[in-house]
Amino acid sequence: QKEVEQNSGPLSVPEGAIASLNCTYSDRGSQSFFWYRQYSGKSPELIMFIYSNGDKEDGRFTAQLNKASQYVSLLIRDSQPSDSATYLCAVDPSDMDSNYQLIWGAGTKLIIKP
Amino acid sequence: GAGVSQSPSNKVTEKGKDVELRCDPISGHTALYWYRQSLGQGLEFLIYFQGNSAPDKSGLPSDRFSAERTGGSVSTLTIQRTQQEDSAVYLCASSRTGVYNEQFFGPGTRLTVL
Repeated sequence: QKEVEQNSGPLSVPEGAIASLNCTYSDRGSQSFFWYRQYSGKSPELIMFIYSNGDKEDGRFTAQLNKASQYVSLLIRDSQPSDSATYLCAVDPSDMDSNYQLIWGAGTKLIIKP
Repeated sequence: GAGVSQSPSNKVTEKGKDVELRCDPISGHTALYWYRQSLGQGLEFLIYFQGNSAPDKSGLPSDRFSAERTGGSVSTLTIQRTQQEDSAVYLCASSRTGVYNEQFFGPGTRLTVL
């Protein structure tokens, strides 16, 4: 069974520091990877996606993908209290067995302390 | 453009009643997903529609749950004879599928069964 694993947290990070969120996945053939942010009481919001090995930067966010080691990370630089949320990792196995659905991690709760 | 919309935003019902939840996906998105999220928990997949193909109903928790998608657009999730354990936030998402499979979520419907 295809799985996506995340540390549930909470991960507590001081304001201004770098928050590092990690996600591992079981299906080596997975093709694309997504990070969603979910504020309490709100629906998930797509913040980053990555398809190729290496780093992808967007503002204060950097997604890192290592397909050989089967992990994907999200770095948040200069963390702000407004970054406090649950971060969901989702993986697209891109195969017919999964019926083209995303496999979701349970999420990591991030708390940025002022 | 317009995002995914869901209605109602909140629904309070009595145990044993039937409820209908509506989702209007992003225009042009062929895939539509329903998820359930209980308080403090991750996403629970319910059902997936892709174009004119038969839906993937593998996540529906019981035969009290059903869903349809008319004309490849709007979807309705129906819960018959609601139970207290059905109380949760019901989220709808849509995606283009194909090469890029990022899902975009609606605001959700919070269902409370008394």
